[in-house]
Amino acid sequence: DSGVTQTPKHLITATGQRVTLRCSPRSGDLSVYWYQQSLDQGLQFLIQYYNGEERAKGNILERFSAQQFPDLHSELNLSSLELGDSALYFCASSVGLAGAAETQYFGPGTRLTVL
Amino acid sequence: SQQGEEDPQALSIQEGENATMNCSYKTSINNLQWYRQNSGRGLVHLILIRSNEREKHSGRLRVTLDTSKKSSSLLITASRAADTASYFCATDQAGTALIFGKGTTLSVSS
Repeated sequence: DSGVTQTPKHLITATGQRVTLRCSPRSGDLSVYWYQQSLDQGLQFLIQYYNGEERAKGNILERFSAQQFPDLHSELNLSSLELGDSALYFCASSVGLAGAAETQYFGPGTRLTVL
Repeated sequence: SQQGEEDPQALSIQEGENATMNCSYKTSINNLQWYRQNSGRGLVHLILIRSNEREKHSGRLRVTLDTSKKSSSLLITASRAADTASYFCATDQAGTALIFGKGTTLSVSS
């Protein structure tokens, strides 16, 4: 158990809909990262927040947005969903903002299925 | 975009044998990490090796890094059935983002 929690575990929705994925980082970790894992694209970095502020952006679509709240939990909002958005979405956390220079602890993921 | 590429894509061995996975990357890095993922679950950090290090050990794991060849290897000694998983290398790119390869799927049979 990494200490990172994600809800929900599974999400099934229809094209055009909007969903929110939630992540609580390990106690004491200030950075939260979001990743998307799909069969064709592999593991893709989406975005990083550190202590409430956006720090780095990856291959995140304009239809997707995220935020980190004062209690450090984070939410990833996916809107106007398309079939290709079906994937595993992982949240990870780390102590600082060094990102690739420190260990990241991954949550169990949310499996999103868009029908 | 994929920074690291693992080789082989899939590896099948017997319990007790050693497993070696390789990772090649394209641009200069400061750090390289290896992660393990059991089927459909979250990733677990294994080892972080910095660009000024050549080798690192953790239990049955040994990681080497050759920055001149832009490659790294992960050796798992005396493999167990519980080592069955996908293994990913991840490198840094422009600072904070971890860029993952497509992974090596290891199957250890008893």
